[in-house]
Amino acid sequence: DIQMTQSPSSVSASVGDRVTITCRASQGISSWLAWYQQKPGKAPKLLIYAASSLQSGVPSRFSGSGSGTDFTLTISSLQPEDFATYYCQQANSFPTFGQGTRLEIK
Amino acid sequence: EVQLVESGGGLVQPGGSLRLSCAASGFTFSSYDMHWVRQATGKGLEWVSAIGTAGDTYYPGSVKGRFTISRENAKNSLYLQMNSLRAGDTAVYYCARVAAGTAAFDIWGQGTMVTVSS
Repeated sequence: DIQMTQSPSSVSASVGDRVTITCRASQGISSWLAWYQQKPGKAPKLLIYAASSLQSGVPSRFSGSGSGTDFTLTISSLQPEDFATYYCQQANSFPTFGQGTRLEIK
Repeated sequence: EVQLVESGGGLVQPGGSLRLSCAASGFTFSSYDMHWVRQATGKGLEWVSAIGTAGDTYYPGSVKGRFTISRENAKNSLYLQMNSLRAGDTAVYYCARVAAGTAAFDIWGQGTMVTVSS
C-alpha cells in the first residue's frame, strides 16, 4: 500500500495568513493526488484533483502543486470559513489518505 | 441536484451483519465508479471498497472476505453488505462518486453511522 504522510498535523493561523500543508507519498504517484476539506460533522469536500487542478466552485485562494512523491496545498489568504481539517489522497492505486491536518484559528 | 444519500446504519453486535444503501440522484449513476469510505470518530478517512461501471469490485485487506460492495443501476443504488462485524468497524460510512478521469471523489453522501458493540 502507498502510505501518505501529511505535515503538520495541526497548524494555527490567523485570517489573512498564507498557509501551506505538505503531503508525501511513500512511492511515486505522478500527479494522482487530491486534497479535501472537512468540517466537523460534514462529509469531505474535494478542493484539488490531479495535484493542481482546482475543483469547480472552489475559491482560487486554494492551490495545489507537486508531482512524484511531494505535494503541497496552499491557501493564499485564510478566510474564516477555511478553518477545518484537510486531507490528501493518492489516486495512483487503491485510495489511501493522509492522516489529516487540522487548521485552527490563532 | 447531484446527490448521494446513505441509509442503513445502526447498532449491531460483534459478529453481526448490516447492509448499507446509497441512493444516487441527479447524474447517470451507471457511468461512474463508486466507493465506500469510512471514518471512525475523531480519526482519518479509510477506503473500504470500490465498484467499477462493469461491476468489478475491490477491497482493502482489512475488510476483504467480510464486506461486499454491489450496485443496482436500474435503481441508482449502491450497497455495502457487511458481515462478521468487529468493534474496529465502528465508523461513519460514506459513499462517494469518482470524478471521471481524475480518480478523485467529487461527490460524497452525508454518511451513515455504524456502531458495533455488545
